[in-house]
Amino acid sequence: KQEVTQIPAALSVPEGENLVLNCSFTDSAIYNLQWFRQDPGKGLTSLLLIQSSQREQTSGRLNASLDKSSGRSTLYIAASQPGDSATYLCAVGPASGYSTLTFGKGTMLLVSP
Amino acid sequence: EPEVTQTPSHQVTQMGQEVILRCVPISNHLYFYWYRQILGQKVEFLVSFYNNEISEKSEIFDDQFSVERPDGSNFTLKIRSTKLEDSAMYFCASSAGANVLTFGAGSRLTVL
Repeated sequence: KQEVTQIPAALSVPEGENLVLNCSFTDSAIYNLQWFRQDPGKGLTSLLLIQSSQREQTSGRLNASLDKSSGRSTLYIAASQPGDSATYLCAVGPASGYSTLTFGKGTMLLVSP
Repeated sequence: EPEVTQTPSHQVTQMGQEVILRCVPISNHLYFYWYRQILGQKVEFLVSFYNNEISEKSEIFDDQFSVERPDGSNFTLKIRSTKLEDSAMYFCASSAGANVLTFGAGSRLTVL
């Protein structure tokens, strides 16, 4: 059974810092990996999607990498801003099946001005 | 940008009552899903639906739960007799193909 772990559980940084969020998964037979953002009491906003054949994806100040063989992904946020404060969730999609995404518990990020 | 719409945003119900949560997926999507998130816990898969039938379901999705696509636009989740432990945020999602999901804003269910 796929297990997804995210470290750290919470992170507090001053504005402007570059930071890295970590995600690990136990079964490397994945179809893709997604990073989501969740604001308190709100839905899930997809940030980046990495297919299993890819190594990284970039969107603005966000860069996600994937090392499928070691079961790891990182989300790099450059020049963090207070508006980045949210919970960041990592989810993996299996190589087979109909998109039964397995989620990590998330990293709660607070960026202070 | 197309979005998945969920109603109600928050529902409070008494234990044992039936609840229906509604979702309008993105119009050209063919795959539909329900996930839930109990407060402070991980987002968990409940069920996926394709071609008017359930394609996959988790062990959480027992006989108390059912899904339906009653017309060409709505996708519903019914809980027949709610329990306290059904209190959670329920997310609907849809996709055009495998594994690229768009999620709705969620429906918060509170069972008293």
